[in-house]
Amino acid sequence: SQTIHQWPATLVQPVGSPLSLECTVEGTSNPNLYWYRQAAGRGLQLLFYSVGIGQISSEVPQNLSASRPQDRQFILSSKKLLLSDSGFYLCAWKSGGTPANYGYTFGSGTRLTVV
Amino acid sequence: DQQVKQNSPSLSVQEGRISILNCDYTNSMFDYFLWYKKYPAEGPTFLISISSIKDKNEDGRFTVFLNKSAKHLSLHIVPSQPGDSAVYFCAARTMDSSYKLIFGSGTRLLVRP
Repeated sequence: SQTIHQWPATLVQPVGSPLSLECTVEGTSNPNLYWYRQAAGRGLQLLFYSVGIGQISSEVPQNLSASRPQDRQFILSSKKLLLSDSGFYLCAWKSGGTPANYGYTFGSGTRLTVV
Repeated sequence: DQQVKQNSPSLSVQEGRISILNCDYTNSMFDYFLWYKKYPAEGPTFLISISSIKDKNEDGRFTVFLNKSAKHLSLHIVPSQPGDSAVYFCAARTMDSSYKLIFGSGTRLLVRP
């Protein structure tokens, strides 16, 4: 079966510290992968997406970066966190074999609080 | 520039009545529209979708209507149940291989017993 793993579930980091959030997908190959962020009281903002290994597209200029070192691994990083980076981060995937009308499957999310 | 908008941040309805959640979009380059349901501290889960060439799709208690001329879609839940209480996000999928979903800001639905 196809599953998506995202960790950690919660994270509290000081301003200026680095960040690394990891997302892995099982049971599929060559998925499209996405990172979203939901700030407090806001909608879901697309941050990055990847259609293949090493391919990263950025949607919003910001303090974050993404990498895809393996087919089913997607990493969100920052060298120095800002207070405004706080939020709920979600990884999602879409397989080419998934019916078009099913959209994405989301991970369980990471609650990041920058203090 | 918000391409997908949900102008009602919250909605409260009585159990058994109809819930209507609305969504507007500004870009015609979308091929699917989707609704997701989200509970706090969890990832969104897919609820129902509609192709841009359709005007209605029904799945049990959930029906989505699409008005292309008005660039408007709505989700109807009949009858509403307390377990439907959650945040509902409207999303539009771009017509390219990235399959990007552009989300609205969400509507918090409360179904009162």
